[in-house]
Amino acid sequence: NAGVTQTPKFQVLKTGQSMTLQCAQDMNHNSMYWYRQDPGMGLRLIYYSASEGTTDKGEVPNGYNVSRLNKREFSLRLESAAPSQTSVYFCASRLLAGGSRSYEQYFGPGTRLTVT
Amino acid sequence: GQQLNQSPQSMFIQEGEDVSMNCTSSSIFNTWLWYKQDPGEGPVLLIALYKAGELTSNGRLTAQFGITRKDSFLNISASIPSDVGIYFCAIRGRDDKIIFGKGTRLHILP
Repeated sequence: NAGVTQTPKFQVLKTGQSMTLQCAQDMNHNSMYWYRQDPGMGLRLIYYSASEGTTDKGEVPNGYNVSRLNKREFSLRLESAAPSQTSVYFCASRLLAGGSRSYEQYFGPGTRLTVT
Repeated sequence: GQQLNQSPQSMFIQEGEDVSMNCTSSSIFNTWLWYKQDPGEGPVLLIALYKAGELTSNGRLTAQFGITRKDSFLNISASIPSDVGIYFCAIRGRDDKIIFGKGTRLHILP
């Protein structure tokens, strides 16, 4: 099992360009999440998807769109990138089930995005 | 929105020392989580707490869910170099969102 994979690992964009960050998990998890991490700000939730076909806004959704393509894949799109979106983006997934580990999220390795 | 106050922001300690950090909220939550992030990687769950007053250990780590359900703390005993990293508290909020604190960055002095 690869767990949670993210592509690309690094990306540089110019202001106004668009791009899609890809995330996939092979653990048959129900929920998937996108976070951004900025120095001193911790992890902030952008969007999440509790199940295939549903998406909901998190703490900082402005400037982003998401697609839950199927149970495995959850993509994050920047339609018109801005320097304020320079950050490290993490995708995560978790299994919605009972038990002591039901809130355990598994994180991908991150995508380091710079917008100039 | 939901906000967690995590302290301290950073710590510099000697190897072998014990470490204590905490997380507070103005709201009540029923699930508190502690994660660790190593440099260049995503966070990994250390301990999950589901019951007020619960004290749970994972090796040298011990975490407690406060009686008021508005706070939690994490202790690390006899720190070692691989404990370096960022420690996050997190809570399960409304609609099953998982919200993170800003983190405590742990440095170990040689």
